[in-house]
Amino acid sequence: DGGITQSPKYLFRKEGQNVTLSCEQNLNHDAMYWYRQDPGQGLRLIYYSQIVNDFQKGDIAEGYSVSREKKESFPLTVTSAQKNPTAFYLCASSIQDSPLHFGNGTRLTVT
Amino acid sequence: GQSLEQPSEVTAVEGAIVQINCTYQTSGFYGLSWYQQHDGGAPTFLSYNALDGLEETGRFSSFLSRSDSYGYLLLQELQMKDSASYFCAVYRGGYQKVTFGTGTKLQVIP
Repeated sequence: DGGITQSPKYLFRKEGQNVTLSCEQNLNHDAMYWYRQDPGQGLRLIYYSQIVNDFQKGDIAEGYSVSREKKESFPLTVTSAQKNPTAFYLCASSIQDSPLHFGNGTRLTVT
Repeated sequence: GQSLEQPSEVTAVEGAIVQINCTYQTSGFYGLSWYQQHDGGAPTFLSYNALDGLEETGRFSSFLSRSDSYGYLLLQELQMKDSASYFCAVYRGGYQKVTFGTGTKLQVIP
């Protein structure tokens, strides 16, 4: 079955450490996205990528970095520069003018 | 910039009908979409409106008025499993950024 896989489901890190969240899709979608969700809030766009080797900042890109070396993969690195990294991170993919398909998310806790 | 407003919480009785409203301000509007998210889960797509009017998909319907920058999601014959958060989202075309509202938490009670 096609879908989006995010791993791990739960991630714990110490403050000051960089951490990379994995997102893989086998839907053959061109576009991939990273969203952040805080409790009781909506989804805010961090980065998105329309094609391999190209990506654009979203609304809250500061403290995050991404890469898109393969069509299937769009990893997100949460750097130590991100002031409030504890959140639920959702990866999504789509083809043009189509709904977003989301992964099951990674819940990151930084202490 | 873009902004979307929707009620934060709604409570409705099982078997009843509930309407969740969404007003938006955006540039380059292409369409309005609705997503459902159960606690701790991934958002799932419900509907998309690019043109004015009502779109029906089973128990769920979605409406858009572009001139009023307004839309709503209508859920009929409510079931307990419909208890979830519902997000409206504005699409600005192609692979453009999709902006989500803050979500409406629907509680269905017996």
